[in-house]
Amino acid sequence: AQKVTQAQTEISVVEKEDVTLDCVYETRDTTYYLFWYKQPPSGELVFLIRRNSFDEQNEISGRYSWNFQKSTSSFNFTITASQVVDSAVYFCALSGSARQLTFGSGTQLTVLP
Amino acid sequence: NAGVTQTPKFRILKIGQSMTLQCTQDMNHNYMYWYRQDPGMGLKLIYYSVGAGITDKGEVPNGYNVSRSTTEDFPLRLELAAPSQTSVYFCASTRTGVYEQFFGPGTRLTVL
Repeated sequence: AQKVTQAQTEISVVEKEDVTLDCVYETRDTTYYLFWYKQPPSGELVFLIRRNSFDEQNEISGRYSWNFQKSTSSFNFTITASQVVDSAVYFCALSGSARQLTFGSGTQLTVLP
Repeated sequence: NAGVTQTPKFRILKIGQSMTLQCTQDMNHNYMYWYRQDPGMGLKLIYYSVGAGITDKGEVPNGYNVSRSTTEDFPLRLELAAPSQTSVYFCASTRTGVYEQFFGPGTRLTVL
């Protein structure tokens, strides 16, 4: 069985602060995929990034960066210089050999002006 | 390209009523999925399909049925609606070789 844990239920930061969202996963598959999705207040789900289990390179995209560590089964997401528009619920998700997404419970990020 | 579309956007049902949530994608994706999202929770998989004519249960299939007669459409049927089915329902799709799923805008269902 797969499991994704996002221990941080809610985080509040002041604009321009850096913030890291934690994600820990469990899977028995040797090949798997990790994802981050953003759900803004409007409710849609926006795909942010995918990482393959065989590629542990960290990735940076603008103010976003992702740290994948197989040794600790973690896939953390950092927003640098946060902005009010970053306020949303962020979901970490895992897909294994069955190609079914298992979601974490989400982290509500609030960026205060 | 409209992507994944869902209808209706909102619906209120009475206990015991039935309805069908529609999902259509125009990206020629072979994989399609139905999820539900309860308040303050992540999404849970209800049913999925790997191609026309093939469907399978996910984590929470009870109270629902699906069919996949075409590549484009994947309707979700609720029989005998119950208050526990009050949720936001998302349809998603993807194709072989692509692992991220693309989501529709969701249907907010309330059962009273």
